[in-house]
Amino acid sequence: QKEVEQDPGPLSVPEGAIVSLNCTYSNSAFQYFMWYRQYSRKGPELLMYTYSSGNKEDGRFTAQVDKSSKYISLFIRDSQPSDSATYLCAMSRSGAGSYQLTFGKGTKLSVIP
Amino acid sequence: DAGITQSPRHKVTETGTPVTLRCHQTENHRYMYWYRQDPGHGLRLIHYSYGVKDTDKGEVSDGYSVSRSKTEDFLLTLESATSSQTSVYFCAISESTKTVSSLHFGNGTRLTVT
Repeated sequence: QKEVEQDPGPLSVPEGAIVSLNCTYSNSAFQYFMWYRQYSRKGPELLMYTYSSGNKEDGRFTAQVDKSSKYISLFIRDSQPSDSATYLCAMSRSGAGSYQLTFGKGTKLSVIP
Repeated sequence: DAGITQSPRHKVTETGTPVTLRCHQTENHRYMYWYRQDPGHGLRLIHYSYGVKDTDKGEVSDGYSVSRSKTEDFLLTLESATSSQTSVYFCAISESTKTVSSLHFGNGTRLTVT
């Protein structure tokens, strides 16, 4: 079992829909949870960052972490065509080795006008 | 793009040839990283640097070497390129390892080994 599992999609939704992206993980040592957005032919850019469990909201984006279930989610409200991209989850331990991010494979999202 | 320039952006090379990819940053960040991105594997860390002349191996370092002679430049060398090293290579930088939220990526080098 890979440390981080992410459904690669592709996922296609109409403009204005609520999008739910998810990752599961197996390593209970993970403490930092991130979502990156990657447009075609570009590098990933950090979208959301959460430490330990709980929710974090930033505009139309909400990140949720459930450490008991080893499950993280990213919700996008009122999705826009500009949200069309690949979304990568990433995780790391705390302390020594915290630079070692473990990435999911990414979910490709298309928002149709 | 957080002041990160990768060169070349695209390269085609033959099996067995050495290849060097360059990452240049203008942010004066201490930490620099090389990742590769492959379908079915996601992003994987190859090598990283925590200062001039200070480097260490990542998850998939076999067949790769790195050098950092200046703060701003981090070179990745494929000593003898193989078809399995066909990939997109990303350089990343960060100010600190305490919070990896500071990781910023370049736009990648697409390498094809024929």
